[in-house]
Amino acid sequence: QQPVQSPQAVILREGEDAVINCSSSKALYSVHWYRQKHGEAPVFLMILLKGGEQKGHDKISASFNEKKQQSSLYLTASQLSYSGTYFCGTEIRAAGNKLTFGGGTRVLVKP
Amino acid sequence: SAVISQKPSRDICQRGTSLTIQCQVDSQVTMMFWYRQQPGQSLTLIATANQGSEATYESGFVIDKFPISRPNLTFSTLTVSNMSPEDSSIYLCSVGTGPTTGELFFGEGSRLTVL
Repeated sequence: QQPVQSPQAVILREGEDAVINCSSSKALYSVHWYRQKHGEAPVFLMILLKGGEQKGHDKISASFNEKKQQSSLYLTASQLSYSGTYFCGTEIRAAGNKLTFGGGTRVLVKP
Repeated sequence: SAVISQKPSRDICQRGTSLTIQCQVDSQVTMMFWYRQQPGQSLTLIATANQGSEATYESGFVIDKFPISRPNLTFSTLTVSNMSPEDSSIYLCSVGTGPTTGELFFGEGSRLTVL
């Protein structure tokens, strides 16, 4: 079942922060985050495997609340390069990277 | 890491025809997947390409419509058969380099338009 992402879109000014949420109706084994720029392939940001685990990538970090079956991606002090569509991908069990992706969140960072 | 080449990058096809998309990886990989992404939409898994055996298809996708081959650990093909305008989409090859969950690498995609 497809995880639900919110918001669907967000517009930021450079330097502002944003949070993207990814919720599942089922217990999760892992949550992956990817960013896709227009006309390009999705690019891996990070993976979270344990409940409560937080990971970071530059000023982009994420948390995984296993109990709530959700993950959040934090864009801190956003840069123009953060613009793109962010997808969470989930596994409900160890399935060798077979991911179900959320609907995506479009992020536009303006100067 | 893995570098993926997909061919063709785009094509315009006539209704009722079939098109084969190729995916070449620069290293041997364990897992290969085919995804579909309709314009402005999310990525939907079509199937897992299994080396030396039949692909594993997700619900809503069948072998007759999307036959897949994977003759070795670096190459796979996806055929979109008997195309209709509803098949207009971007088809992406994706690979995982380990036996367990980890980073997925994506090809640039093949954009198909069916008239």
